[in-house]
Amino acid sequence: DAKTTQPTSMDCAEGRAANLPCNHSTISGNEYVYWYRQIHSQGPQYIIHGLKNNETNEMASLIITEDRKSSTLILPHATLRDTAVYYCIVRVVNSGYALNFGKGTSLLVTP
Amino acid sequence: GAVVSQHPSWVICKSGTSVKIECRSLDFQATTMFWYRQFPKQSLMLMATSNEGSKATYEQGVEKDKFLINHASLTLSTLTVTSAHPEDSSFYICSAPGDRGPEQYFGPGTRLTVT
Repeated sequence: DAKTTQPTSMDCAEGRAANLPCNHSTISGNEYVYWYRQIHSQGPQYIIHGLKNNETNEMASLIITEDRKSSTLILPHATLRDTAVYYCIVRVVNSGYALNFGKGTSLLVTP
Repeated sequence: GAVVSQHPSWVICKSGTSVKIECRSLDFQATTMFWYRQFPKQSLMLMATSNEGSKATYEQGVEKDKFLINHASLTLSTLTVTSAHPEDSSFYICSAPGDRGPEQYFGPGTRLTVT
């Protein structure tokens, strides 16, 4: 799996958009970008994934740059319940292997 | 989405005893399950890969005789921490690839405290 780099922590005001960046400059052509989050003392939760096109679901949007070397996860209207550690993971889809978690970004949403 | 459960959600045991943690896929079958360990303020670290009907594969540095894994059915994997010590106190999480998509589904975790 390609290495990813994320900021250690970020703050966001409730109701505002939270934009979480991720660098993955060594990503291979068949590797997808996955985002998971972990709320304190819970198991990780899948958010979204994409290959090269921007993706949107009910939780978030994923913007991948054209060269695929970086991406941004967008939570359009952050709530206090979005406070969590967010992990950006690059991997081949359905590889059958476990996810390799880095340190992630600790997002704090404040009132 | 697919659901993975773990039991118990938390357990306290005395040093030297053994503890069994169950991981179940509730609405799908999982030939493979993964076990992670997470210490406070750290990220998840893969311990082992559990394979239905065959031996588990352990990551480097994880003692297979201490962390016994059994994957006896397509919906159940168990992790037994044998002769637990205080340094085994951690948050143990299992996951399984879903059968309807590329993502993995995680259990809620088990908090083990060894006194």
